[in-house]
Amino acid sequence: AQSVAQPEDQVNVAEGNPLTVKCTYSVSGNPYLFWYVQYPNRGLQFLLKYITGDNLVKGSYGFEAEFNKSQTSFHLKKPSALVSDSALYFCAVRDRGSQGNLIFGKGTKLSVKP
Amino acid sequence: KAGVTQTPRYLIKTRGQQVTLSCSPISGHRSVSWYQQTPGQGLQFLFEYFSETQRNKGNFPGRFSGRQFSNSRSEMNVSTLELGDSALYLCASSYDREREQFFGPGTRLTVL
Repeated sequence: AQSVAQPEDQVNVAEGNPLTVKCTYSVSGNPYLFWYVQYPNRGLQFLLKYITGDNLVKGSYGFEAEFNKSQTSFHLKKPSALVSDSALYFCAVRDRGSQGNLIFGKGTKLSVKP
Repeated sequence: KAGVTQTPRYLIKTRGQQVTLSCSPISGHRSVSWYQQTPGQGLQFLFEYFSETQRNKGNFPGRFSGRQFSNSRSEMNVSTLELGDSALYLCASSYDREREQFFGPGTRLTVL
């Protein structure tokens, strides 16, 4: 069965420091991988995706993610965090070979302090 | 290009009633998915429609149903509401299943 794990419920970083939000997945085939962000009382906003090609994917607002096939991970990163990055982050996966739906992780709350 | 719109944004119902939520996808998008978001269960997939056909359904009781119209607009219906149905219901559209989904702002349903 497909699954997505975000091992940290919350990540705290100081403004200006690098941040990492972790995601590991389990699919039977090759995945499509996505990151979304949700601000309070809002819908989800797309950040970036991995379909194929370069393992380092660049997305919106300075975020990037690294696809690691051997570790089945897709960690979200940003070199320098902003207070405005504080939000709930979701990793999602879909097996490209199946007709299954998009599976979301539980979400990680990112808190960036000044 | 206009984003995904959902109506109504907020809804208060009592147990036993039924409710219909509406979603208008981004123009040109044929795939619409619905999710239920709660603090305890996170984001749970409800169903996915593509060109008026339901392609996938999540693990929800038959009280939850949906449909998609020829213009790709979608509705979901919940009958015989229960307190546990209180949640944020999110609709998302995409051009096809390989592309990213774009989410609406959600409908906040409160069941009293």
